[in-house]
Amino acid sequence: GQQVMQIPQYQHVQEGEDFTTYCNSSTTLSNIQWYKQRPGGHPVFLIQLVKSGEVKKQKRLTFQFGEAKKNSSLHITATQTTDVGTYFCASSRAAGNKLTFGGGTRVLVKP
Amino acid sequence: DAGITQSPRYKITETGRQVTLMCHQTWSHSYMFWYRQDLGHGLRLIYYSAAADITDKGEVPDGYVVSRSKTENFPLTLESATRSQTSVYFCASSTGKSYEQYFGPGTRLTVT
Repeated sequence: GQQVMQIPQYQHVQEGEDFTTYCNSSTTLSNIQWYKQRPGGHPVFLIQLVKSGEVKKQKRLTFQFGEAKKNSSLHITATQTTDVGTYFCASSRAAGNKLTFGGGTRVLVKP
Repeated sequence: DAGITQSPRYKITETGRQVTLMCHQTWSHSYMFWYRQDLGHGLRLIYYSAAADITDKGEVPDGYVVSRSKTENFPLTLESATRSQTSVYFCASSTGKSYEQYFGPGTRLTVT
């Protein structure tokens, strides 16, 4: 079945530094979504990418969908303590249908 | 606007007991989902529903039962709870017109 793998599993970042987390698939994806889950909280939708090579920005967060639609990345610049949490990528085969989630990247920020 | 709610938020039960986790959404979303979240496994889909009276299995359905008699409710029942079902359970909903899912606050279930 469809699988998405995320790396790294853990990311320790110094406050103010940049980092990138990656989502990879062995098959072509129709879309990619990114979610953020704060410690003790629930996943919250961040963004959706559907086009090859698509790049979207949300303030300090930059999301990219690979040209071959087999990978995606989330880049955070000038990391803040509010960025702490686990970031998940997910993909669905059809609108409204079930999502397959990656294992997540847990981000810890050192002040 | 309450959105999507889950109850109870915390539950401790004994092995072999039946327990039902409730999920309620006020958006009239067509799709509803149940996930479990365990360390090292991320989010795994248990069951989902495309509409009232339509349900289907996800990745890890064994030991669980769902029903959806009304669009707004999607209860999850553990027929005979086992320790391996100790987990955090999330309910989510989606319009069906986009891929975005909205998650409830979760239920932390402990089976002793």
